[in-house]
Amino acid sequence: GAGVSQSPSNKVTEKGKDVELRCDPISGHTALYWYRQSLGQGLEFLIYFQGNSAPDKSGLPSDRFSAERTGGSVSTLTIQRTQQEDSAVYLCASSFLAGGEQYFGPGTRLTVT
Amino acid sequence: DQQVKQNSPSLSVQEGRISILNCDYTNSMFDYFLWYKKYPAEGPTFLISISSIKDKNEDGRFTVFLNKSAKHLSLHIVPSQPGDSAVYFCAASAITNAGKSTFGDGTTLTVKP
Repeated sequence: GAGVSQSPSNKVTEKGKDVELRCDPISGHTALYWYRQSLGQGLEFLIYFQGNSAPDKSGLPSDRFSAERTGGSVSTLTIQRTQQEDSAVYLCASSFLAGGEQYFGPGTRLTVT
Repeated sequence: DQQVKQNSPSLSVQEGRISILNCDYTNSMFDYFLWYKKYPAEGPTFLISISSIKDKNEDGRFTVFLNKSAKHLSLHIVPSQPGDSAVYFCAASAITNAGKSTFGDGTTLTVKP
């Protein structure tokens, strides 16, 4: 069966540009999560969606970061006016219910030059 | 303040021996704990979990122990195999906000043949 997919796998962008990262969760999973992993660090929670409830955005590091989940499925993480410190691997995960075991995608490696 | 800590960045063990990975947490509201394994260039994969109502959970070669009074959990792998070489993350969440998992920085396990 299809797992969580993310695109692009790699993205190099210039400082100041906007980027969009996409996540396709496992079909039927109601919860979707975004994390960021900087080099040598653990997973930093960014945001999660549960069904039709308002997302928990408490982990977003600044107002340059936003995320949407359309139709309870695909999600897009948008970073506006990228900065070099935004360089990291962005991981998306989904789970059947919030708090259950999470299934992760392979991540998008973002490099801001 | 880092609420979930994995104090050992790396661990090396001989094939066939026991691997013990440790994790400490500070938030007494955490009541659900998970371990994930991550290979390079892949997303983390779920290994095993434990609820705070239990102090041990076993799945094949993997056992997780929870000591609530010490706010400490550990993952035991026995016998260790070279394919177990990976980064191991512990994660914790609270039922009051089940979707928001807090991850440690990970421990890199190397199992030598």
